Amino acid sequence: DIQMTQSPSSLSASVGDRVTITCQASQDISDYLNWYQQKPGKAPKLLIYDASNLETGVPSRFSGGGSGTDFTFTISSLQPEDIATYYCQQYANLPRTFGQGTRLEIK
Amino acid sequence: EVQLVESGGGLVKPGGSLRLSCAASGFSFSDYSMNWVRQAPGKGLEWVSSIHRNSNYIYHVDSVKGRFTISRDNAKNSLFLQMNSLRAEDTAVYYCARDRGGGTTFDYWGQGTLVTVSS
Repeated sequence: DIQMTQSPSSLSASVGDRVTITCQASQDISDYLNWYQQKPGKAPKLLIYDASNLETGVPSRFSGGGSGTDFTFTISSLQPEDIATYYCQQYANLPRTFGQGTRLEIK
Repeated sequence: EVQLVESGGGLVKPGGSLRLSCAASGFSFSDYSMNWVRQAPGKGLEWVSSIHRNSNYIYHVDSVKGRFTISRDNAKNSLFLQMNSLRAEDTAVYYCARDRGGGTTFDYWGQGTLVTVSS
């Protein structure tokens, strides 16, 4: 199975800050990577697909990048409504696997 | 509007069975692969099973193979997960998720149904 490792596991930042989360795959997955946002008590929501494509309706402050084994997810200017846990997910191989999540809090 | 509504969760004893259902609306159900993804309390997401739009291809994570079976009824716009020989470690919220790209991207999710396996 492909292991997905996110860092950091948790992050505290101020409104307006630029926030970056990294996701590392245990083997080359090309750009077969998605990012999801999960707010407390809610279902996950797709934000970024194919590593860098913004899902329709998602604010442009969210972005993704990378390929191969190393990926980044960035919020350019943190907003209070961005408080959530973020997950990366690979689809290069079965089983589909997720990172362990990055919990984002407001400082 | 795409809607996915899970049902069938509950409390079951170890070794017992449950059948989860997911009612889909707002899109052409038969055109999409579908998935089950679970989340243990306080833990991360784990993909469980997927089924191709015409049921030709079915996949399960190793930890549930031989115990869980995914199926669908396109005429009734419904997805199912038959769970047998349940274990404590199967305790989780189970989400139904639409697959946009043939097993790649989960673009719509239901609200989830909680399965608790405990004596």
